[in-house]
Amino acid sequence: AQKVTQAQTEISVVEKEDVTLDCVYETRDTTYYLFWYKQPPSGELVFLIRRNSFDEQNEISGRYSWNFQKSTSSFNFTITASQVVDSAVYFCALSEAVDMRFGAGTRLTVKP
Amino acid sequence: AAGVIQSPRHLIKEKRETATLKCYPIPRHDTVYWYQQGPGQDPQFLISFYEKMQSDKGSIPDRFSAQQFSDYHSELNMSSLELGDSALYFCASSEGADGNTIYFGEGSWLTVV
Repeated sequence: AQKVTQAQTEISVVEKEDVTLDCVYETRDTTYYLFWYKQPPSGELVFLIRRNSFDEQNEISGRYSWNFQKSTSSFNFTITASQVVDSAVYFCALSEAVDMRFGAGTRLTVKP
Repeated sequence: AAGVIQSPRHLIKEKRETATLKCYPIPRHDTVYWYQQGPGQDPQFLISFYEKMQSDKGSIPDRFSAQQFSDYHSELNMSSLELGDSALYFCASSEGADGNTIYFGEGSWLTVV
């Protein structure tokens, strides 16, 4: 069965610090997809990134970057120069076929 | 761009009552998903539909049922509501399945009192 582990329950940083959110996954499939979603206090789930298992290229989007390493089954998310608006719960998720399973989430608090 | 539309956004029901949540997927999306997120929890997959047929089933209680209609909108029906059903219910949609990006609606807050 697929499984996603986000070991960091809560992280607190001061604005402008860099922060990395960890995600480790388990799957028996060779084809799978990894996602990150952001859930701000208002509650909606905002899509951030999708990565398939055959694409290990790291990706950078503005202050966000993702490090996908199949060798360690990890898909970590780094926010550079964090801002107060980055405060949210961040979920890593894994999809093998139809449905998507989430990790427990990491609550990030960025203090001014 | 159009997003996933859910209604109602907030709903208060008493125990043993019935509730229906509606979901309108992004245009041209043929796959709909329902997730339940309890307080402080991660979203749990309930059920999904592809081209109006149930495609996968997760931890959906027998008291709940769902369907996808010819216009691709979906409804989640919840009967004999219990206090533990109080949660944020997300509908999501994608174009096809198999790992395509799933976009979520803003959620429907259900409170059972």
